[in-house]
Amino acid sequence: NAGVMQNPRHLVRRRGQEARLRCSPVKGHSHVYWYRQLPEEGLKFMVYLQKENIIDESGMPKERFSAEFPKEGPSILRIQQVVRGDSAAYFCASSSGQLSHSEAFFGQGTRLTVV
Amino acid sequence: SQKIEQNSEALNIQEGKTATLTCNYTNYSPAYLQWYRQDPGRGPVFLLLIRENEKEKRKERLKVTFDTTLKQSLFHITASQPADSATYLCALDGPDDKIIFGKGTRLHILP
Repeated sequence: NAGVMQNPRHLVRRRGQEARLRCSPVKGHSHVYWYRQLPEEGLKFMVYLQKENIIDESGMPKERFSAEFPKEGPSILRIQQVVRGDSAAYFCASSSGQLSHSEAFFGQGTRLTVV
Repeated sequence: SQKIEQNSEALNIQEGKTATLTCNYTNYSPAYLQWYRQDPGRGPVFLLLIRENEKEKRKERLKVTFDTTLKQSLFHITASQPADSATYLCALDGPDDKIIFGKGTRLHILP
C-alpha cells in the first residue's frame, strides 16, 4: 500500500520562478490538506481540498499561491513568482473522510529553497 | 483565534522512565485532539486521537488524557526507549474539518 507520495522531495527555484508541488494521496482518499513548515515552527494549515473542490483556503496567501485537486491525477500546490520567504517544507496529507473519524496520512514533504 | 501551546523546550528523559508531554489550548472547545510524531526531515505520523467525551486513551506504551475543563492534554510514553526520541505534535480540530497543529515538543530519550 503506497502512502501519500509527494514530489519532488527537494526543489530549488530562483526568485521569480514558479514552483509546482505534487501530492498523490493514499489510494481511495478524497480529502487532501496542504501544510507549510518553517524550521523550528509548527505546521501551518494552508488549504483543504476534496476532489475538484476547495473546501477551505483560509491559510493560503491570496496572491501567487493556488491549489487544485482534479478528478484525475495528483493535487498540485502552485507558487508563482517565488520569493525567498517561500522557502519552507510543504507537507501534504490525505484522509478517507472527516478527520474526526479518520486519521490523516502525511507525505514526506517537499523542501522548497528559493535562491 | 485558537491557540495551542506545547513546551518549546526540549525534554530529556532517561531511558526506561515515563515521558510526559503537555498540550494546552485556549479560545476553543475541540471535539477531538490528536497526537503525531515527527522525525527530522520526515512527515508527521499519526499516533492517537482522543475525543472530548473520552478522558483517557491507550495504545501500547502510549497514553493520552484529555481534560476539557483544564483545556489540556497530556501525552505519556512509558518505559521510554531511545527510539522514542522525536518531536511530538499536538493537533486540534479546526473549523471546516481541518487540523491545527502546535509547534511540537522535542523529546530526547537518553540511554
